[in-house]
Amino acid sequence: SAVISQKPSRDICQRGTSLTIQCQVDSQVTMMFWYRQQPGQSLTLIATANQGSEATYESGFVIDKFPISRPNLTFSTLTVSNLSPEDSSIYLCSVEQDRGVGEQYFGPGTRLTVT
Amino acid sequence: DAKTTQPNSMESNEEEPVHLPCNHSTISGTDYIHWYRQLPSQGPEYVIHGLTSNVNNRMASLAIAEDRKSSTLILHRATLRDAAVYYCILRMRYSGGGADGLTFGKGTHLIIQP
Repeated sequence: SAVISQKPSRDICQRGTSLTIQCQVDSQVTMMFWYRQQPGQSLTLIATANQGSEATYESGFVIDKFPISRPNLTFSTLTVSNLSPEDSSIYLCSVEQDRGVGEQYFGPGTRLTVT
Repeated sequence: DAKTTQPNSMESNEEEPVHLPCNHSTISGTDYIHWYRQLPSQGPEYVIHGLTSNVNNRMASLAIAEDRKSSTLILHRATLRDAAVYYCILRMRYSGGGADGLTFGKGTHLIIQP
């Protein structure tokens, strides 16, 4: 298993600013993912972040809006840029060790409110 | 991606078994069936996964139909702490070892009555 922490746990930001979310894992993992969960909705995959390569974004998500860093095998950041109220969501990171046949472990999420 | 269909909500009584169904009629031969659950105000939690055979672990059992077009997650003795949204997710296995993220549907909101 893997233990994942996220910082901050919640934040309130003004529109037009940016928020950087940190995801820290207690062990080295190859695969890391970022998800968004809008109020009352299910989770939507934003991007896959593997160490040593550029993040791969899902349809509807672009690097300019959601830049991701993955400097090593235990850490990643997601920045949500140029915030608007529509960005108010919970952002979650997850990790996987078994390359598609095992389980993903999720962080507790970061609750972002944009005013 | 192959799609799953689950009931929006189900209700059960505490200490009774719960059977959560999932239909996936367009499943391919390389798709694994995964189940996750999300407790209130928490990130999703892995429950179980399988390919063809029924699977058991300490949390639940997974019964997979012979034609693989449906599956059932079984909680043998529900407690109030099992109240959550349960997601049935198909996941393709890549022969090269890569993987995509998870595609979450709406899931089943399980309500446990004391």
